[in-house]
Amino acid sequence: GAVVSQHPSWVICKSGTSVKIECRSLDFQATTMFWYRQFPKQSLMLMATSNEGSKATYEQGVEKDKFLINHASLTLSTLTVTSAHPEDSSFYICSARRAGGSGNEQFFGPGTRLTVL
Amino acid sequence: GESVGLHLPTLSVQEGDNSIINCAYSNSASDYFIWYKQESGKGPQFIIDIRSNMDKRQGQRVTVLLNKTVKHLSLQIAATQPGDSAVYFCAESANQGGKLIFGQGTELSVKP
Repeated sequence: GAVVSQHPSWVICKSGTSVKIECRSLDFQATTMFWYRQFPKQSLMLMATSNEGSKATYEQGVEKDKFLINHASLTLSTLTVTSAHPEDSSFYICSARRAGGSGNEQFFGPGTRLTVL
Repeated sequence: GESVGLHLPTLSVQEGDNSIINCAYSNSASDYFIWYKQESGKGPQFIIDIRSNMDKRQGQRVTVLLNKTVKHLSLQIAATQPGDSAVYFCAESANQGGKLIFGQGTELSVKP
């Protein structure tokens, strides 16, 4: 149990376009989902916390108008990178916290590799 | 404060040896710690966790040690196997809505 999926697993897009990444909890309901970004040979950096039915909370330095997060249901959160530029190329990873579970328990998705040309 | 990503330190061990991976955490208010394993191109995989009311916890072939006095966490892997080759991250949480802050990571390479 506790499987999290992401779609797409990789995407290549042109500079200036927008890209949507989906994060789904497949066998549990997630009240909270988290979005991370990871550059090569670096650690995971938390971008934002997404709560079902409310606005996301962004970490300092993360542009909320550039990285749009929607958490419309208990099993789906989406991250849209708007007007993507080459510097947005990265590995984007989501995690989900189970509804009713331990406050610290997170399950990670497989990641989405974004390449902006 | 937040951990900042740096070039990954590496640890190279011989197959069958024990590995020790260390992590210094930053927030003295953190009360929950997790070790994750990340293989290339994949998401983090849970290995073991520990709460601040403990100083040691054992799993299958893995042991986590917590020293709150010096804010240090370690992961011990017994009889390291080639399949253990990956990047290992520690993560800390101060129960701020469940936010996890990741350490810089260590790349473990196991030589057959």
